[in-house]
Formats: sequence, structure tokens, C-alpha cells
Amino acid sequence: DAGITQSPRHKVTETGTPVTLRCHQTENHRYMYWYRQDPGHGLRLIHYSYGVKDTDKGEVSDGYSVSRSKTEDFLLTLESATSSQTSVYFCAISENVGTGAPGDTQYFGPGTRLTVL
Amino acid sequence: KNQVEQSPQSLIILEGKNCTLQCNYTVSPFSNLRWYKQDTGRGPVSLTIMTFSENTKSNGRYTATLDADTKQSSLHITASQLSDSASYICVVLGQAGTALIFGKGTTLSVSS
Repeated sequence: DAGITQSPRHKVTETGTPVTLRCHQTENHRYMYWYRQDPGHGLRLIHYSYGVKDTDKGEVSDGYSVSRSKTEDFLLTLESATSSQTSVYFCAISENVGTGAPGDTQYFGPGTRLTVL
Repeated sequence: KNQVEQSPQSLIILEGKNCTLQCNYTVSPFSNLRWYKQDTGRGPVSLTIMTFSENTKSNGRYTATLDADTKQSSLHITASQLSDSASYICVVLGQAGTALIFGKGTTLSVSS
């Protein structure tokens, strides 16, 4: 998985509790992304980062926040988890975006399966 | 609205046979198109990435084609193997700085 780890890999939590998912990379790639994947939907972008402390919202950012204090770590926080946030969460990294070059390729982590009861 | 539509939704083929998966997109302007393979329980893995000026790109038994005029792409798998059983996802990037648009994927099952 191209030097990307996600933790935890599985988590069960209760509605209303805060949850933080961690993505760690050893590739020194500039861009990092958080996606969620649900049945019947394609991967949907939650937030992404284009550098340390530089982040922006994706299409499904409501209820999520992120932080990137170091190049290698990108955290996703659910401030107050809801059942609709039950999903599989993927972190991805890339060197570039939009150039069409191989550096555009996104590498995905193994995923975190989150269940909110 | 920028969309990526894939067909068929699922496909079952016999080992050794060829198959073709389709991707139609409405993303404009267009930067590049990618095909990913996702095994069950794992993250997607990139197979090919093509810009608007490229018509075809191969990666082993996988060959992707792109027609930017009709906004269509296909992924052809030759001599399928059991390990090809996976979901294949078409992803389109619009102009630089915009988000990737993911298709919902085609689930391929290869049986012996």
C-alpha cells in the first residue's frame, strides 16, 4: 500500500462520541486526501491537504474536520459521530494533481471500517 | 453536473476470456482519466492514467482507451484470471485544482 498506514483499521463507536482516524505516509508526498466509500456510491472526497496546515473541503465535508501538522500525518476527526457516518474511510496520497503525469497517481491506504451505533 | 457513469454494474466471465468495461463522463473541461482496481477489503490501486491527448495505454493485460471527443473510455482485460475478480473504478479529473470524480465501479467476477 505504497507506504501508507491507517489507524485504527476497525472501530465501533456510539452516536455522539468524537472519533479520530489517522493516516500516516512515508512517501513524503505533498497531497493527502480522505475519502469515504459507501455501497451504491463512488468514493467521495471529504477533505484534502496540499501541504502542512493547508487543507480544503471536499464534496461531503459536513461533520468532519481535518488537521495536518506534519507532512506525514493527516488526521480526520468526527466531532460527534452519527450513524450516517458509518462507512469505510480511505486515505490517499499523491505527489501532484492535475498534471496528467504519473505523479498524479493517487495511492490509497488499506482503509478504516467505522461503525457508529 | 460532472458525472462518471460506468457499465455494466457487474459482470461474470469465465477464466481465460476477455472483457471490456465502459466509462462515460460529462466532466468538462477534462484533465485526465484513471482506471483503478479495488480488491475486496482493500484500497484502490491505479492501473492507468491518461490525458486528453492519449488514446490508449496498457498495463500488462489491461488496456485502457480514451475518446475525448465522445467522452468515453473503456478498459479491456485480456485472458482474464481469477485474480482479476475485483471492482474497477473509472475516475476523471477536470481542470487542475478540481476534485476527482469517481464512478461507482464495475464488479467483475472471474470464475473457473
